[in-house]
Amino acid sequence: EAGVAQSPRYKIIEKRQSVAFWCNPISGHATLYWYQQILGQGPKLLIQFQNNGVVDDSQLPKDRFSAERLKGVDSTLKIQPAKLEDSAVYLCASNRGTGTAAFFGQGTRLTVV
Amino acid sequence: AQSVAQPEDQVNVAEGNPLTVKCTYSVSGNPYLFWYVQYPNRGLQFLLKYITGDNLVKGSYGFEAEFNKSQTSFHLKKPSALVSDSALYFCAVNTRANTPLVFGKGTRLSVIA
Repeated sequence: EAGVAQSPRYKIIEKRQSVAFWCNPISGHATLYWYQQILGQGPKLLIQFQNNGVVDDSQLPKDRFSAERLKGVDSTLKIQPAKLEDSAVYLCASNRGTGTAAFFGQGTRLTVV
Repeated sequence: AQSVAQPEDQVNVAEGNPLTVKCTYSVSGNPYLFWYVQYPNRGLQFLLKYITGDNLVKGSYGFEAEFNKSQTSFHLKKPSALVSDSALYFCAVNTRANTPLVFGKGTRLSVIA
């Protein structure tokens, strides 16, 4: 079974630029999560999708962050414009549904300079 | 709101000794509890979960965890630590209602030869 795929692995951008991350979850997984992990901290949920609908985006900074999951499969997370404090690893995860383990991609390390 | 506490930033243990990494949680309703491990520059890897049933659950790499409802705890244990167990460990919780998977801040385990 293929794992969760994320790209790119690394990205360096200047502040005020825009950036997009892509995630392909495990086939058949209805739930998809995007997390932000700042160095030395636990993952912080940004958004949770169930198929192509949003379950929770209460911690997504909507003035600069957006996410979509068209057709309930792949997802993209966008930041526009980026700030220095957005430097973090962005993790995508998926699971079949409630009570099942979430599986994570390797993440995208974003550095904003 | 649900939350997870990992009271120790760092746990040091000698190789061959038993290890415990602590986790307490707060949720409304019955919890679904998970442990993940993160190696440097890698995504999170699922170790084990508690959904229902026996309070002692066994997972990957010889790890186990004990669910204690009265103490709202889910401590991770291993009878004999290996140097290769050195990593960052995260406890996470959600519920039957498919609430977001919320993580603790993590505990760094260092196993010394």
